[in-house]
Amino acid sequence: AQKVTQAQTEISVVEKEDVTLDCVYETRDTTYYLFWYKQPPSGELVFLIRRNSFDEQNEISGRYSWNFQKSTSSFNFTITASQVVDSAVYFCALISGAGSYQLTFGKGTKLSVIP
Amino acid sequence: GAGVSQSPRYKVAKRGQDVALRCDPISGHVSLFWYQQALGQGPEFLTYFQNEAQLDKSGLPSDRFFAERPEGSVSTLKIQRTQQEDSAVYLCASSLDRGHGEKLFFGSGTQLSVL
Repeated sequence: AQKVTQAQTEISVVEKEDVTLDCVYETRDTTYYLFWYKQPPSGELVFLIRRNSFDEQNEISGRYSWNFQKSTSSFNFTITASQVVDSAVYFCALISGAGSYQLTFGKGTKLSVIP
Repeated sequence: GAGVSQSPRYKVAKRGQDVALRCDPISGHVSLFWYQQALGQGPEFLTYFQNEAQLDKSGLPSDRFFAERPEGSVSTLKIQRTQQEDSAVYLCASSLDRGHGEKLFFGSGTQLSVL
């Protein structure tokens, strides 16, 4: 069975601070995909990133960066110089197994960026 | 359209009523998914279509839930004899291909409240 744990339920930071959102996953499959989605108050889940299990390279996209470590089964997300527009609920998710399509989501981390 | 469209945005039903939720996926997308998101939780998988074929309905919570996608585009999720525990946000998502490990494009959801 697969599982995604986001231990931080809510985080508040002051604008321009850096913040890291933690994600720990569990799976027995060697092929899997990890995702981060952002859910603003409008409700729509917005795709941020996908990594497959064979690519441990960290990735940076503007103010966003992701740290994938198979040794600790973690896929953490860092926002540098946070902005008010970053306020949202962030979900880490997993598709486990070759040919699989079901996303298993964590419970989400609500990020509030205070001006 | 440019994105996944869901209607209605909000639905209030009396216990025992039937409801129908509509999803218009991105044009040309092969795969369509329904997810259920309870308050404060991550979305949970309900069902999966590849074109008009419903390939997986393992997440539907009871036989009161029924989904269809008769022409391989628009999909409808129907809930018969609604119960209070059905109150949730119902999210529709689509992907370009078969959905295996792919990123999903989500709609804004239908918030269902059963009184």
